[in-house]
Amino acid sequence: EDQVTQSPEALRLQEGESSSLNCSYTVSGLRGLFWYRQDPGKGPEFLFTLYSAGEEKEKERLKATLTKKESFLHITAPKPEDSATYLCAVQAPGGYQKVTFGIGTKLQVIP
Amino acid sequence: NAGVTQTPKFRVLKTGQSMTLLCAQDMNHEYMYWYRQDPGMGLRLIHYSVGEGTTAKGEVPDGYNVSRLKKQNFLLGLESAAPSQTSVYFCASSYTGELYGYTFGSGTRLTVV
Repeated sequence: EDQVTQSPEALRLQEGESSSLNCSYTVSGLRGLFWYRQDPGKGPEFLFTLYSAGEEKEKERLKATLTKKESFLHITAPKPEDSATYLCAVQAPGGYQKVTFGIGTKLQVIP
Repeated sequence: NAGVTQTPKFRVLKTGQSMTLLCAQDMNHEYMYWYRQDPGMGLRLIHYSVGEGTTAKGEVPDGYNVSRLKKQNFLLGLESAAPSQTSVYFCASSYTGELYGYTFGSGTRLTVV
């Protein structure tokens, strides 16, 4: 069974304090790993897709990296507007129904 | 550009009542999905559609039905609501099915009492 574990469950940072969120996964034949951002009362917002180990993608203060067992979402010099829950998802072979989501990491950035 | 629109945003049902959740997208996406999100659990796929007139079961389909009569609309029905169906429901769409980020709606918070 495909599994996605995100850590920590919650993270509180001071503005400007860089850190990383972790997504470890167990899936046979990973097709892709996704990162989403979810604000309270809203639907998830797509951030990145990573396809293979060693790949990196960046967007503003966020950089996602992928290894064979986990992915990291690095947040550099975060701002209060980066506060949200960050979700990780993996896609196994077999199609669109084979996407497994993690529970997420709730990030709070304090001014 | 509205993206994915869900109605209603909130609803309270009594056990045994029925309702339909509406999802509309204006991006000409082929693929549409219904997920539920519960505390302490990741998003779980209920049903999905790969095109107009098609539907398929996801991970947790029991108690739900869907229809995709028009490409832009995907309806989720609860025939006889149960307290276990209390959840936040998200509709999503994507241009292709695989390895393409989904566009989610803002959700419907459903409480069954």
